[in-house]
Amino acid sequence: EPEVTQTPSHQVTQMGQEVILRCVPISNHLYFYWYRQILGQKVEFLVSFYNNEISEKSEIFDDQFSVERPDGSNFTLKIRSTKLEDSAMYFCASSGGFEKLFFGSGTQLSVL
Amino acid sequence: SQQGEEDPQALSIQEGENATMNCSYKTSINNLQWYRQNSGRGLVHLILIRSNEREKHSGRLRVTLDTSKKSSSLLITASRAADTASYFCATERGGGTSYGKLTFGQGTILTVHP
Repeated sequence: EPEVTQTPSHQVTQMGQEVILRCVPISNHLYFYWYRQILGQKVEFLVSFYNNEISEKSEIFDDQFSVERPDGSNFTLKIRSTKLEDSAMYFCASSGGFEKLFFGSGTQLSVL
Repeated sequence: SQQGEEDPQALSIQEGENATMNCSYKTSINNLQWYRQNSGRGLVHLILIRSNEREKHSGRLRVTLDTSKKSSSLLITASRAADTASYFCATERGGGTSYGKLTFGQGTILTVHP
């Protein structure tokens, strides 16, 4: 079965540094998402992306966050200046438009 | 709002027994989905039930939805040790740009003992 691929699986960074989390969605999907899960908390929606623009974003997704689909295959989440509270598991997901989301295995981001 | 609250928070059963997990939500929804997460891994979609459906089956999974009570249940029959995982319900309100915007519950940790 096709799958969503995320790299790296673990990312350690210093507070204030920029990080880019990468995702390769399923090839014929059109809808892309980022979610995150802080340890011990619920999975939270960050942003949805369709037709090369943000469809919707949550309150968490402030000016420090941005998403991009730089080519036909990658979908990235950038955090410009990381904070301690950005430490979480970040999940990329994609959908072909039939309600079911396919999630990647996640990138564990640790901000020190 | 506290959308998608599951209970119990943890469930421990023996192999072969049935496992039932419940989910409650507060707002109107387009659909409700159940996902599974193995430790340290991604979320795997299990089953989706739309707001106009009451019950759905998929293999050993049975999900019900009661929109009047704003609740859903997931039943796993004849559980196996491999079913050990966290199970999450997630609601989608739908409409406009909200497609795919899921609100997850806290999850139920299911442990199935061989």
